[in-house]
Amino acid sequence: AQRVTQPEKLLSVFKGAPVELKCNYSYSGSPELFWYVQYSRQRLQLLLRHISRESIKGFTADLNKGETSFHLKKPFAQEEDSAMYYCALKRAGANNLFFGTGTRLTVIP
Amino acid sequence: DAGVIQSPRHEVTEMGQEVTLRCKPISGHDYLFWYRQTMMRGLELLIYFNNNVPIDDSGMPEDRFSAKMPNASFSTLKIQPSEPRDSAVYFCASSSTGSKVFFGPGTRLTVL
Repeated sequence: AQRVTQPEKLLSVFKGAPVELKCNYSYSGSPELFWYVQYSRQRLQLLLRHISRESIKGFTADLNKGETSFHLKKPFAQEEDSAMYYCALKRAGANNLFFGTGTRLTVIP
Repeated sequence: DAGVIQSPRHEVTEMGQEVTLRCKPISGHDYLFWYRQTMMRGLELLIYFNNNVPIDDSGMPEDRFSAKMPNASFSTLKIQPSEPRDSAVYFCASSSTGSKVFFGPGTRLTVL
């Protein structure tokens, strides 16, 4: 079975401070990992995926297979980053996503 | 493209009543997903379809929940009878094989 764990339900940081949203997973195969974001009054949308190895809105996430983690990081938080963030896992060969419980990030001006 | 469309956006009902949530996936997508979002449990996959066929309904809480996809452009999630603990935001999402998943705006259900 697979599991996605986001240990922090709430996270507050000051504007300009670094931010890290934690995500750990358990899965015996080779997963595909994603971060989804839900801004206020907007739809849940894909932020980034590990296979793309990209930086979106200043955010990056590196898949660490040894630690089974996929933490989301940004060096300097902005007020517009305040949102709900979900880490998600897709099993090899599957199309459905398994989500963590989410972390609500608040960036304090 | 309007994206995934869900209706109604808000639903308030009384315990024991039947509730039907509707979803129109993005045209051309062959996967459709129903998720439930709560504060305590986050986003839970209830059921998903591939080419209108239910593939995995292991996330459906109990027999009070049922989902159908009569054609490629429409799906329903029905709760009968509804209970207060069913109060949540229900999301429909769609994708095509290998593509990213697109979510609808959600239906906020309140069962009194």
